[in-house]
Amino acid sequence: AQSVTQLGSHVSVSEGALVLLRCNYSSSVPPYLFWYVQYPNQGLQLLLKYTSAATLVKGINGFEAEFKKSETSFHLTKPSAHMSDAAEYFCAVSDRGSQGNLIFGKGTKLSVKP
Amino acid sequence: DTAVSQTPKYLVTQMGNDKSIKCEQNLGHDTMYWYKQDSKKFLKIMFSYNNKELIINETVPNRFSPKSPDKAHLNLHINSLELGDSAVYFCASSLELARSYNEQFFGPGTRLTVL
Repeated sequence: AQSVTQLGSHVSVSEGALVLLRCNYSSSVPPYLFWYVQYPNQGLQLLLKYTSAATLVKGINGFEAEFKKSETSFHLTKPSAHMSDAAEYFCAVSDRGSQGNLIFGKGTKLSVKP
Repeated sequence: DTAVSQTPKYLVTQMGNDKSIKCEQNLGHDTMYWYKQDSKKFLKIMFSYNNKELIINETVPNRFSPKSPDKAHLNLHINSLELGDSAVYFCASSLELARSYNEQFFGPGTRLTVL
């Protein structure tokens, strides 16, 4: 069965610092991988996705993620955090044969200190 | 224009009542979904509909029933509400269910509180 593990339910960084949010997946075949962001009291918005093209994926708002098959990881990074990045971040996996079924990690809350 | 909209945004009701949450998408998508987000922010798929056909029905109590009058709408009916149903419910939509790499677009959520 597919699963996603996000290490760290809460990450706090200073404004301008590197953001690193960790995601590991479990799958028998390379899946499709997604990062979604949820701002307070809002729905989820896609940041980026991996669909077996380039392993380094660039998304919106300066975020990027690298797919590492050997580590079964898809960590999200941003070189310099902004106050506006404070939100909940969800990693999700979609099994290629699952007909769109997204399995989400438990989320990581990112706080940005001034 | 809002891509995926839900009504109401907040819903407070008593145990045992029956309630509905409406969802509409104007993206021309083929597939719509309902997710439940619990108090710990954990998201889990409840249902999906593709061209008015139920595709996924996870281990959801039969008190929950999705109803799709047309491709642009997927409403969620809940009978005999229980305290444990309190959560935020999200509607989402995407193109072509069979292409599981398609982005899902989420609505703003409906916060249901059962007293």
